[in-house]
Amino acid sequence: AQKVTQAQTEISVVEKEDVTLDCVYETRDTTYYLFWYKQPPSGELVFLIRRNSFDEQNEISGRYSWNFQKSTSSFNFTITASQVVDSAVYFCALSGGSQGGSEKLVFGKGMKLTVNP
Amino acid sequence: KAGVTQTPRYLIKTRGQQVTLSCSPISGHRSVSWYQQTPGQGLQFLFEYFSETQRNKGNFPGRFSGRQFSNSRSEMNVSTLELGDSALYLCASRGGQDYSPLHFGNGTRLTVT
Repeated sequence: AQKVTQAQTEISVVEKEDVTLDCVYETRDTTYYLFWYKQPPSGELVFLIRRNSFDEQNEISGRYSWNFQKSTSSFNFTITASQVVDSAVYFCALSGGSQGGSEKLVFGKGMKLTVNP
Repeated sequence: KAGVTQTPRYLIKTRGQQVTLSCSPISGHRSVSWYQQTPGQGLQFLFEYFSETQRNKGNFPGRFSGRQFSNSRSEMNVSTLELGDSALYLCASRGGQDYSPLHFGNGTRLTVT
């Protein structure tokens, strides 16, 4: 079965600190997709990034960067120079064909990030 | 482009009642899926509809059902409500190819008393 583990449940940092959110996944599929979503207090999940299992290139988008390592089944997310607006719950998610299609995302438990001024 | 719209935002129901939640996807999106979010279980997949057909279903009892209309709008129904059904129910729509990102609405917060 597919599983996503976000070991950290809550992190509190001071503005401008760098923070890394860990994500470890389990799947037997050879083709799968990994996602990160952000959930601000308003409730909706905001898509941040998608990565497929064949693309191990790391990605940087502004202050955000992602490190995908198939060898350790990890897809970690780093926020550089954190800001108060980054405060939210962050979810890592996995989707793969054998578990029912692209709509069925398996989510981690989420990690609440609080950035203090 | 308007985002995914869910109504109502908040609902309070009594145990044993039934409830219907509504979701309007992003214009042009034909796939709509539903997720339940609770503090204990986290985010769990309920079901997914595409062109009025249920294409995928999660591990929820038959009290949870849904449908999709020809305009892609979707409704989710929960019958014989239990206290444990209290949750944030999130709807998401998707357009384009498989595995393209889901776009979520703000959710409906259901409280069962």
